[in-house]
Amino acid sequence: QQQVKQSPQSLIVQKGGISIINCAYENTAFDYFPWYQQFPGKGPALLIAIRPDVSEKKEGRFTISFNKSAKQFSLHIMDSQPGDSATYFCAARSGFQKLVFGTGTRLLVSP
Amino acid sequence: GAVVSQHPSRVICKSGTSVKIECRSLDFQATTMFWYRQFPKQSLMLMATSNEGSKATYEQGVEKDKFLINHASLTLSTLTVTSAHPEDSSFYICSARAGGAENTEAFFGQGTRLTVV
Repeated sequence: QQQVKQSPQSLIVQKGGISIINCAYENTAFDYFPWYQQFPGKGPALLIAIRPDVSEKKEGRFTISFNKSAKQFSLHIMDSQPGDSATYFCAARSGFQKLVFGTGTRLLVSP
Repeated sequence: GAVVSQHPSRVICKSGTSVKIECRSLDFQATTMFWYRQFPKQSLMLMATSNEGSKATYEQGVEKDKFLINHASLTLSTLTVTSAHPEDSSFYICSARAGGAENTEAFFGQGTRLTVV
């Protein structure tokens, strides 16, 4: 119930391509869905977040698509760049509760 | 976003000694702080949640006597790994969240790489 399932585990995309990472959840009480980017040896940094009252949120090259009925949300990175190579985590939270993290996706953008 | 500073970034200690990791919120008051542990190529595992002035709430399976958490002020929380052993070697990350609305974001520190030899 508390899990957030993330796929794929790893992803290789050519420079300029679109990177897509998917997450699914079961707990319908979740009301906050952030994505984090983590570089090796560093803490996670918030990339973009969405709430269930909207179906899409875009910030620069990063877009979250949210499907409330399917209980799924995804991160799209447009025009992927080598500097985007990192591990990405989706997460979910209900109110003041703790964040529940996905298992992570290692993205490699090839030059 | 707000800044959370974690110190030290790397520490090597001998087996049996204790190590203290500090987590500071630099430009906001952190009502709640979280401590995570992360193994290589794995996700973040929440160890404990602490609210300022209260005892920390530990996740199941986390030894509270081994991982001592203090959140004595609204800008500082510390994690002390007591009697460290090689299996405690890991990447420890703190996160801080201000009080108020439910949608308050939590910000992460840079992490601390602990190596116990």
